[in-house]
Amino acid sequence: GIQVEQSPPDLILQEGANSTLRCNFSDSVNNLQWFHQNPWGQLINLFYIPSGTKQNGRLSATTVATERYSLLYISSSQTTDSGVYFCAVEKAGGTSYGKLTFGQGTILTVHP
Amino acid sequence: DTGVSQNPRHKITKRGQNVTFRCDPISEHNRLYWYRQTLGQGPEFLTYFQNEAQLEKSRLLSDRFSAERPKGSFSTLEIQRTEQGDSAMYLCASSYRAGAGYTFGSGTRLTVV
Repeated sequence: GIQVEQSPPDLILQEGANSTLRCNFSDSVNNLQWFHQNPWGQLINLFYIPSGTKQNGRLSATTVATERYSLLYISSSQTTDSGVYFCAVEKAGGTSYGKLTFGQGTILTVHP
Repeated sequence: DTGVSQNPRHKITKRGQNVTFRCDPISEHNRLYWYRQTLGQGPEFLTYFQNEAQLEKSRLLSDRFSAERPKGSFSTLEIQRTEQGDSAMYLCASSYRAGAGYTFGSGTRLTVV
């Protein structure tokens, strides 16, 4: 199956700092999503981004499909950004069911 | 649109008992997914429905697991003869097409004692 590697595994920031999270994947994909899991366990979809660049407020994401990686940028971080960030992909050329393979996540802690 | 709803939020059961979880997806979403997440790991795919048809099942879904989605609306996931290794968060997600983002429910946390 497709492999998904996220880095760094842990990240500790002071409020206001910027950060970049990376997701590498081992095969071509037709679906890539970034999620934030808050401390209560709720998974929130941040971006659907199989290619290109998107921005939503302080968050932006870029996927370079030909080089098999995606980046999530968080600017001016806030304590509410704390939690686990997951990258999830679906391998291209399959049945397009939307079945996602998740990475291990990046644990982000933002201190006031 | 009230999002994806899962019930119960928590379930504690004794080993060997059967449990059933329910997921109500967003009404216009025809695709429904079940995932399982254990501590410190990312969610793992269990099964997928398009409308009422179960189109894919993971090898993680042993014979003790069964899922249904009657009439293409809500879905249930049943685990028979629970084992301690079944303890996990069971997550349901829905989307309205393959090329769209998922919406996850809050999950059902199962503890088998």
